[in-house]
Amino acid sequence: DTGVSQNPRHKITKRGQNVTFRCDPISEHNRLYWYRQTLGQGPEFLTYFQNEAQLEKSRLLSDRFSAERPKGSFSTLEIQRTEQGDSAMYLCASSLGRDDLTYEQYFGPGTRLTVT
Amino acid sequence: KQEVTQIPAALSVPEGENLVLNCSFTDSAIYNLQWFRQDPGKGLTSLLLIQSSQREQTSGRLNASLDKSSGRSTLYIAASQPGDSATYLCAVRKTSYDKVIFGPGTSLSVIP
Repeated sequence: DTGVSQNPRHKITKRGQNVTFRCDPISEHNRLYWYRQTLGQGPEFLTYFQNEAQLEKSRLLSDRFSAERPKGSFSTLEIQRTEQGDSAMYLCASSLGRDDLTYEQYFGPGTRLTVT
Repeated sequence: KQEVTQIPAALSVPEGENLVLNCSFTDSAIYNLQWFRQDPGKGLTSLLLIQSSQREQTSGRLNASLDKSSGRSTLYIAASQPGDSATYLCAVRKTSYDKVIFGPGTSLSVIP
């Protein structure tokens, strides 16, 4: 397994356009997380899936943001009507969870979004 | 609400020095604490994970300690090398399935 992968690695878009990012977790991992990181800050939680169910969404995730994990495998994060404040690194992480136990999260390389 | 802080924000040391990075968290009810490394423009690499019942973890030249009651963790790097230059982030988790809450990171520069 090559780890968590994210595509694209970089995206430049004009304000007002829609963008979609993809995350492919480690194959046996049932939990998938999205984070956003701005320059000089630590990552901030956006949302989390267990299998295909979206279990938690941060208040950072405005109505313009939507995330899906339709078959419990890969996930997509869509931002509609992008704003310059959306410029950030979007990180995906996955982990294995069984019962009340979970294991450490493995992070992908991130997608860097620049909104001009 | 859990808040994580890291001191110092930036650190520059000559090669070969031993160094300590500090992490503090406001809510001691954590499930685990994790230290990550992030190279510029890259994703995160997990360095050490300490469960709440543990006091420390070691990997090579790295040693992380956890004092839950005081809400502190330290990352000790022995015999620093230029390749250690990166941002080091600590992060805590409240429950086994919860999100990770990150500190802002310490930017480390090891000068040859």
